[in-house]
Amino acid sequence: QKEVEQNSGPLSVPEGAIASLNCTYSDRGSQSFFWYRQYSGKSPELIMFIYSNGDKEDGRFTAQLNKASQYVSLLIRDSQPSDSATYLCAVKGAGGSYIPTFGRGTSLIVHP
Amino acid sequence: DARVTQTPRDKVTEMGQEVTMRCQPILGHNTVFWYRQTMKQGLELLAYFRNRAPLDDSGMPKDRFSAEMPDATLATLKIQPSEPRDSAVYFCASAPTSGRNNEQFFGPGTRLTVL
Repeated sequence: QKEVEQNSGPLSVPEGAIASLNCTYSDRGSQSFFWYRQYSGKSPELIMFIYSNGDKEDGRFTAQLNKASQYVSLLIRDSQPSDSATYLCAVKGAGGSYIPTFGRGTSLIVHP
Repeated sequence: DARVTQTPRDKVTEMGQEVTMRCQPILGHNTVFWYRQTMKQGLELLAYFRNRAPLDDSGMPKDRFSAEMPDATLATLKIQPSEPRDSAVYFCASAPTSGRNNEQFFGPGTRLTVL
């Protein structure tokens, strides 16, 4: 059974700080890793994906992947109240179907 | 502005009634997913289609749920009979292919309440 684990939170950070969200996965053969943001009452939307070890940066967001340790993280620099949402980690494994497995999400609260 | 659409957005029904949810994937996307989201279980995959063929519906209770794609522009999820434990938000998502890095685009969801 493939598992994706996230701390449910809430993670509370002050405005302007760095928010660090973590995700671990059980399938060592996993190929692709996605971070989705979901505002309350809305649908998930993709922020970033990463498939190579190391860091990938996009504006204030950085995804970090460590396949040996089987974790992926999302850093949000200069956090804003508008970043307050639930962040879902999704992992795609090997094999032809590439069906993603979602974690249950981490709730982030950025307070002014 | 291409997006996944879902109808209805909200549905309140009584236990035992049939519920049908509809999804229009983004034009040209050949992969469609149905998810159910609850506070307790998070986002659960119910069914998955590629080129209109069902490839995985192992997450779906077979006795009451059914999913179909009558054509490339319509996916349906039906619950008959509905039960209070089916209350959840149901999301449809589409993707251009099932490839490694292709993201899923989610619809706005159908919030189902079964009384």
